[in-house]
Amino acid sequence: QVQLVQSGADVKKPGASVKVSCTASGYTFTGYYMHWVRQTPGQGLEWMAWINPNGGGTKYAQKFQGRITVTRDTSITTAYMELSGLRSDDTAVYFCAREGDSGGTDWYAFDIWGQGTMLTVSS
Amino acid sequence: QSALTQPPSASGSPGQSVTISCTGTSSDVGVYNHVSWYQQHPGKAPKLMIYEVSKRPSGVPDRFSGSKSGNTVSLTVSGLQAEDEADYYCCSYVGTTPYVFGTGTTVTVL
Repeated sequence: QVQLVQSGADVKKPGASVKVSCTASGYTFTGYYMHWVRQTPGQGLEWMAWINPNGGGTKYAQKFQGRITVTRDTSITTAYMELSGLRSDDTAVYFCAREGDSGGTDWYAFDIWGQGTMLTVSS
Repeated sequence: QSALTQPPSASGSPGQSVTISCTGTSSDVGVYNHVSWYQQHPGKAPKLMIYEVSKRPSGVPDRFSGSKSGNTVSLTVSGLQAEDEADYYCCSYVGTTPYVFGTGTTVTVL
């Protein structure tokens, strides 16, 4: 079945970097954009970035420009999100999510989500 | 780009209907029909319920419907069931940003 499996929870100190992975299965990895969305404790959802696995093109939210890098490895159908200069307010659950598409028509919506990766930033 | 505005909470009895609003501006919801809705149960990942304002993905019950008027989109859940109790978020494509989520609404089934 179509699924996204993310790496496990992590704890980092302020100023460090984290790299979260998202492994896709059950569909053609290069056929769908992959997005990263985070959810801070008790708060709502926040869009962070997307990557086009077919070519590697990326787009980042202005808020994270300079701190975020999204990459992919098509040989293992995995996308990565690296966030640097971590602060306590980066403590959140990070999700990868596939952008839906049907017959080449973009849904502009996220139809498959990973299980989430809890990141705790604490000294 | 500010978050879209949703009411913090909504409720209804089993079998009733509940409607959640999501208000944006003429720069996002008002100009794009690329609005989606997500259901999130505690500790779980969001689930896509509606895309392109009113389209349902395969497997989503037709009790869930979406609409748009001006700068406001709405999600209606008809025939409320216990399992509909969850947080709901709207999301709009806004071009350059390019996506912004709503503030979220907690639906309680009384």
